[in-house]
Amino acid sequence: EAQVTQNPRYLITVTGKKLTVTCSQNMNHEYMSWYRQDPGLGLRQIYYSMNVEVTDKGDVPEGYKVSRKEKRNFPLILESPSPNQTSLYFCASSLGNTGKTGYTFGSGTRLTVV
Amino acid sequence: AQKITQTQPGMFVQEKEAVTLDCTYDTSDPSYGLFWYKQPSSGEMIFLIYQGSYDQQNATEGRYSLNFQKARKSANLVISASQLGDSAMYFCAMREEGYSTLTFGKGTMLLVSP
Repeated sequence: EAQVTQNPRYLITVTGKKLTVTCSQNMNHEYMSWYRQDPGLGLRQIYYSMNVEVTDKGDVPEGYKVSRKEKRNFPLILESPSPNQTSLYFCASSLGNTGKTGYTFGSGTRLTVV
Repeated sequence: AQKITQTQPGMFVQEKEAVTLDCTYDTSDPSYGLFWYKQPSSGEMIFLIYQGSYDQQNATEGRYSLNFQKARKSANLVISASQLGDSAMYFCAMREEGYSTLTFGKGTMLLVSP
């Protein structure tokens, strides 16, 4: 089944403790992206990647890191999480970057930083 | 300026009635795609329907149709014969040609009552 898999689904952590949210897709998609969703703000892009070893900042990159060492994987790293990073996170992938190609989303990761 | 505007924070509709969710967008790119996603309470993002900027006809997918008015830059989602399972948050999104970002509106919460 074609899908984007992200883990964990739920995570509660403490301020400052480094964490990684994993994301993997099995569709051979070139483009991958991380979004965060907050009430009243919709979804905002954190980082995106156009291919292996090619990443760039989205609208809200502060406090996050990403890497793209393999085509299928695009982990999101929070080096020192803070409570304002409590959010619902989505990983998504896309075959290309034309206007007609939408993103396939993972199931989401609910992160709480206390 | 917001690229995607959804002016209805919430909508109520009775089962079996039709409902229109509004979406306006802003772009100077002649080539772009418009998408609608559904997010039920479980949190996942479900793709519903796509409309390309050069498409001559309005998109339809089962009970979903997109009322595309290019000159007015609007892309309203029409759900016919609402069902209880349609209760969810609905997001309008746009992707411009050559860009990795799928830009979202803030969403409309739809509640379908028996």
